[in-house]
Amino acid sequence: AQTVTQSQPEMSVQEAETVTLSCTYDTSESNYYLFWYKQPPSRQMILVIRQEAYKQQNATENRFSVNFQKAAKSFSLKISDSQLGDTAMYFCAFMKHGGDKLIFGTGTRLQVFP
Amino acid sequence: GAVVSQHPSWVICKSGTSVKIECRSLDFQATTMFWYRQFPKQSLMLMATSNEGSKATYEQGVEKDKFLINHASLTLSTLTVTSAHPEDSSFYICSARTTSGGPKETQYFGPGTRLLVL
Repeated sequence: AQTVTQSQPEMSVQEAETVTLSCTYDTSESNYYLFWYKQPPSRQMILVIRQEAYKQQNATENRFSVNFQKAAKSFSLKISDSQLGDTAMYFCAFMKHGGDKLIFGTGTRLQVFP
Repeated sequence: GAVVSQHPSWVICKSGTSVKIECRSLDFQATTMFWYRQFPKQSLMLMATSNEGSKATYEQGVEKDKFLINHASLTLSTLTVTSAHPEDSSFYICSARTTSGGPKETQYFGPGTRLLVL
């Protein structure tokens, strides 16, 4: 069975600084997808970024980028130039190729301070 | 694109009544929709996977007769909490996978429904 671990329950960062959220996972699958979702206080789940395991190039979306280390089964999220609106719960998630279920981590609560 | 709506956004009901929550994909067709439950400060717990035109697949420990799921069209799935009790109070979230026009493995989430059973 696949598992997703987020070892940082809470993180804080000052506005305009950079912060990295950690995520590790365990799977025997060779092809899969990884996601970071953001859940702000409104509780709307928003897709931040996705990574396909067979692509070695790290995904980027504006200020958000990932460091995908397949051998280490690590998928960290870097947020550059943090903004107050980045304050949210961040969930790392895994889905095997051809599957349909998302396996979520326990989440990291990020607080951005002015 | 890839917008999912839920209705109602919040509901308060008396114990013993049934509550229906709708999940709609507004700008895409979704053969598969998912229903999650989220307790305060916790992660999402998958309750069931709903496929258009067929019976839902429930996760272990989720009562089928308690949480009725219907996926009658490619844009609508409903979750009915039957004979609701206070322990059913929670935040319910649906998601949908697009069948075309985007990555098929990506789930797009609705805004959630807060249920309070008195």
